[in-house]
Amino acid sequence: GNSVTQMEGPVTLSEEAFLTINCTYTATGYPSLFWYVQYPGEGLQLLLKATKADDKGSNKGFEATYRKETTSFHLEKGSVQVSDSAVYFCALIPQGGSEKLVFGKGTKLTVNP
Amino acid sequence: DTGVSQDPRHKITKRGQNVTFRCDPISEHNRLYWYRQTLGQGPEFLTYFQNEAQLEKSRLLSDRFSAERPKGSFSTLEIQRTEQGDSAMYLCASSSGWDSPYEQYFGPGTRLTVT
Repeated sequence: GNSVTQMEGPVTLSEEAFLTINCTYTATGYPSLFWYVQYPGEGLQLLLKATKADDKGSNKGFEATYRKETTSFHLEKGSVQVSDSAVYFCALIPQGGSEKLVFGKGTKLTVNP
Repeated sequence: DTGVSQDPRHKITKRGQNVTFRCDPISEHNRLYWYRQTLGQGPEFLTYFQNEAQLEKSRLLSDRFSAERPKGSFSTLEIQRTEQGDSAMYLCASSSGWDSPYEQYFGPGTRLTVT
C-alpha cells in the first residue's frame, strides 16, 4: 500500500540553523508529493509540492526535491527562524486518480532564539 | 475569499451519544474531503465528495459514520453511538478541481472528546 515515513521528532534548533526533515515514501508509479505545515492553533497549510521526478518545490525559503531513485522528498531550509516552529507533515497523493492525501506522522520543529 | 470553516470547533459528548459536524468549503470548490487526526499522528483520509457524489470511502469509516453533501455545498459528518476511540480532530478540506493534483485547503478542525 501507499505510505509515508518521516523522521521522528521533536527537532529543536537554534535560530539561523540549517534544517533537514527526512521523508521517504512507498507507492507505485509516480505519486505527487507534498509538505504541509501546522502552526500552533492553526489548520494545515500547504507549504510546497512536487508532481514529477526531479521537480523541486519551494516556498518561504523551504525546498524539497522529488527523488524517484531514493523515493524521498526531504524538506530543507538554510536558516530557520523562530516563526518556523510548527509541525511539518510529508504527504502523497497516489498516481492514478485517487485524491486522498496519505500523510506521515509529522515532525515537530521548535526553533529557539 | 473565506477559507474552509468547520462547526463546532470543540465537542464534548458522552459515550453512546450521536454527534454531527458541519463543514463549509471555500466557495465554488466542488471537492470536499474529511480526515481524522489523532494525537501524534498525521491525518487519515475518511471520505470525499465531488459535488453531491461521495466518490471514495475509507475502511476507517465504519457503519456508525455517515457523511453527506446534499446540495454540493456544505457537508455534514455524523457519528452514531460514539465510542472513546472516536476522540480525535476531524478535519475538512476542499479543492477546486481545476489543477491536478488538486490542492486541498484545510479548515481548523473539530476536536471531539468522548467521555
